[in-house]
Amino acid sequence: EVQLVESGGGLVQPGESLRLSCTASGFTFSNYWMQWVRQAPGKGLVWVSRLNDVGSTTNYADSVKGRFTISRDNAKNTVYLQMNSLTDEDTGVYYCGRGCFSNSGGCVGLWGQGTLVTVSS
Amino acid sequence: DIEMTQSPSSLSASVGDRVTITCRASQSIRNYLNWYQQKPGKAPNLLIWTTSNLQSGVPSKFSGSGSETDFTLTISGLQPEDSATYYCQQSYTVPITFGQGTRLEIK
Repeated sequence: EVQLVESGGGLVQPGESLRLSCTASGFTFSNYWMQWVRQAPGKGLVWVSRLNDVGSTTNYADSVKGRFTISRDNAKNTVYLQMNSLTDEDTGVYYCGRGCFSNSGGCVGLWGQGTLVTVSS
Repeated sequence: DIEMTQSPSSLSASVGDRVTITCRASQSIRNYLNWYQQKPGKAPNLLIWTTSNLQSGVPSKFSGSGSETDFTLTISGLQPEDSATYYCQQSYTVPITFGQGTRLEIK
């Protein structure tokens, strides 16, 4: 089955760190750009970051630049989001997504189920 | 950053109706505009990519058009299962940005 499964969410205090994982199956992971998109409770979708197929090109939203790091391990079919210096504004559901097509870093054609990150003291 | 503005923010329509949702970009994004549907508690689902291309498995009741800065998503023959929030997204440049969403209620 073609799918993405996120993990690693949870409750953390402001200033702490968390690493999210997203494991792919059912397709050739190493052919695709991967992205992270988040959604605060009751709010809209916000793009966070993306990474190309070989892990050499990364892009970030200004709101997370310098605090979050996206990476991947193609041998493990997994993309990560290391989140440091978390604030309450980082609270939300984090979705990982696969590019629509091989070598496409734009639209998201496959989404994970999401993992909830709550930053609160 | 490119700002994406959707209108209306919400709308209510009846079964069988046709509705149009508009998305405007603050600058030209050529045709790099995508549409997603999201139901409560679920992940988004891609409907249309690059303005007018129907994603595999998506019913033909969904269609998209536009160019440069102005785009539309049209849904025909509304059914109760079309009740959802719809988002446009520009993938022309980073940071990738989404519209604020349009909540569609089926009466």
